[in-house]
Order: sequence, then structure tokens, then C-alpha cells
Amino acid sequence: EVQLVESGGGLVNPGGSLRLSCEASGFTYSNAWMNWVRQAPGKGLEWVGRIKSETNGGTVEYAESVKGRFTISRDDSKNTLFLQMNSLRAEDTAVYYCARHGVFGNTLYGIFDCWGQGTLVTVSS
Amino acid sequence: DIVMTQSPDSLAVSLGERATINCKSSQSVLHSSDNKNRLVWYQQKPGQPPKLLIYWASTRESGVPDRFSGSGSGTDFTLTISSLQAEDVAVYYCQQHYTFPLTFGGGTKVEIK
Repeated sequence: EVQLVESGGGLVNPGGSLRLSCEASGFTYSNAWMNWVRQAPGKGLEWVGRIKSETNGGTVEYAESVKGRFTISRDDSKNTLFLQMNSLRAEDTAVYYCARHGVFGNTLYGIFDCWGQGTLVTVSS
Repeated sequence: DIVMTQSPDSLAVSLGERATINCKSSQSVLHSSDNKNRLVWYQQKPGQPPKLLIYWASTRESGVPDRFSGSGSGTDFTLTISSLQAEDVAVYYCQQHYTFPLTFGGGTKVEIK
């Protein structure tokens, strides 16, 4: 069974840091392109960023709202995706989901075919 | 950035009736390389992550009931639930993957009348 499990959320002060993890199972993680998507309480979905597989260069793209503050990385030996969040602001409060790029016709697309359950990050003093 | 605008924000439909959700992109998401629309629909039920429903604007994901259908091309898209069931109560989002940043519509909440 394909599964993504996020962890690491919690309460953090404004200006603080937090590191989220997403452990993958049930598929060949090293080939996957992975994303973080967030959802503020009662709000819609916002794409945070994507990391390609290492064989595709491990390139990362970020939303402007997090560029320079958030860093996405991966550890393929542990089937784990990370989101390092620094200089956190109140507006970063959200449920953070990891999601996988789907493979369609042997090509990867930004179609999120598998999502984790999410982890809540609350930025407040 | 491509802005995705959904309408209405919410709608209430009687069981067995049709529900129609619209999604408009600020620029075309039709890719000339393969003539496919980079437009996806997700369903999100309360307390759950989003679930992929439809991709390429009109292709149902495996296991999705055929009462769900997607249509449209270029900048204007529609998700239709032909006969609303109680389990379809959810928020529905469209998303474009034509270019970065990947962007979502604001969501449409579907309820039972």
C-alpha cells in the first residue's frame, strides 16, 4: 500500500524553526518527485514546493511565499522527505501535507496522486 | 502566476440532483506538446487530505465513480457530479500543473440541500 506519513508539526514561536518529515512506503521513493502543500485553518490549498528525484538532479522549486525561509530535502536511504522551516510567521500556520507527483505514461506530472494525512504547524507566541 | 478561480464558493444540491462546479484559469493550461490540459480536480472531505478525482481535465482516476466527470479546455473547466450522493459532501479544488508555481482554485463546498 502506498503511504505517506508526516511528522514534526507543533507549536512554535514567531521567528522560530521547525523541521517536518514525511516517510514514504509502498513505492520506489527514490524515483519519486515529492511536494509539500499546506492548508491554513479553514482555507484552501497552497503549494509550497517540489523536489525532483536525485536521478533527475534533485532540483527544488519553491513558492514565493516561502522562498529563502523554507528548504526541501530528501534522504532516499530512509525514504524520507523533509521540510526545514525557518523564520516562521503567523501566516505559516497550516496543516502541511506531503504529496507525490503522479506518473502517467512513464512521465512525471504535477498531479498529486498520493497525499499524507498532514501535520499541523502553529506559529504563535 | 496562473490564477485559478472557482465558482461558486459553495452550493447546496438535493440528493440525486446534478452539481456543477466551474474553474477558470488566468491563462490557457492546454499544452501544445500533447494537446492535454494541465488541469486536475481533487475532493477533500472534512478532516481528510485531498483525493485525486480527475486529471487531464476529463480523465477519471481509477476507482472514482462515473457520476464524476470533467470537461473544458484552455481556460474554462467544469466538474460535474451527475447524481449527488451523501458521500459526495466535500470541498472540491481545481489545480493547474501547466507551470510553476502550481496553483489551486479557492475551493467549492458542496452540501446537501
